[in-house]
Amino acid sequence: GAVVSQHPSRVICKSGTSVKIECRSLDFQATTMFWYRQFPKKSLMLMATSNEGSKATYEQGVEKDKFLINHASLTLSTLTVTSAHPEDSSFYICSARGPAGEINEQFFGPGTRLTVL
Amino acid sequence: GQNIDQPTEMTATEGAIVQINCTYQTSGFNGLFWYQQHAGEAPTFLSYNVLDGLEEKGRFSSFLSRSKGYSYLLLKELQMKDSASYLCAALDSNYQLIWGAGTKLIIKP
Repeated sequence: GAVVSQHPSRVICKSGTSVKIECRSLDFQATTMFWYRQFPKKSLMLMATSNEGSKATYEQGVEKDKFLINHASLTLSTLTVTSAHPEDSSFYICSARGPAGEINEQFFGPGTRLTVL
Repeated sequence: GQNIDQPTEMTATEGAIVQINCTYQTSGFNGLFWYQQHAGEAPTFLSYNVLDGLEEKGRFSSFLSRSKGYSYLLLKELQMKDSASYLCAALDSNYQLIWGAGTKLIIKP
């Protein structure tokens, strides 16, 4: 099956710093990638949808200047949490969808646990 | 609005069968997914239904009724490792996944 990797798997940073999370599709080209965050015992919350070569579409309530998304190639999307604060601590998960015509499945990365001190 | 409903928590006994129900209301419909998520891990794909009926895959089966906006995930011969959250998600007309809050399944010996 399709594999999506995410790096880093865990990061601890000081308040005010920026953190970059990478999401890569390893064996397929992903025209669309999704970024989710998940709080403990809660379901996934879609933050934004990124399409290769174009600007990301952010969900309502998600600050685009705080959560910068870049989808520069068909295999890589990055999420940068700028000026992180303790309330940004969460589990961030990316997923990738293959080209049109395939099953509408999303392939998930293993997630990144961010802790902001 | 768009909405997915599933029970918050269920308990079952090892070796038994459990059915997790999910009802959905979405703007358009392009299929329904079930994912398994262990604590601290990302979701893993279990099943995808877009046509009415039952899809069987080993110990897991998934059912869909489009007219009723209803799906269920059936787990047979439960094992302790099946203890996890089970997420129901519907794909809307924009191919966006609408997620349920998940059902935490507790398996007891």
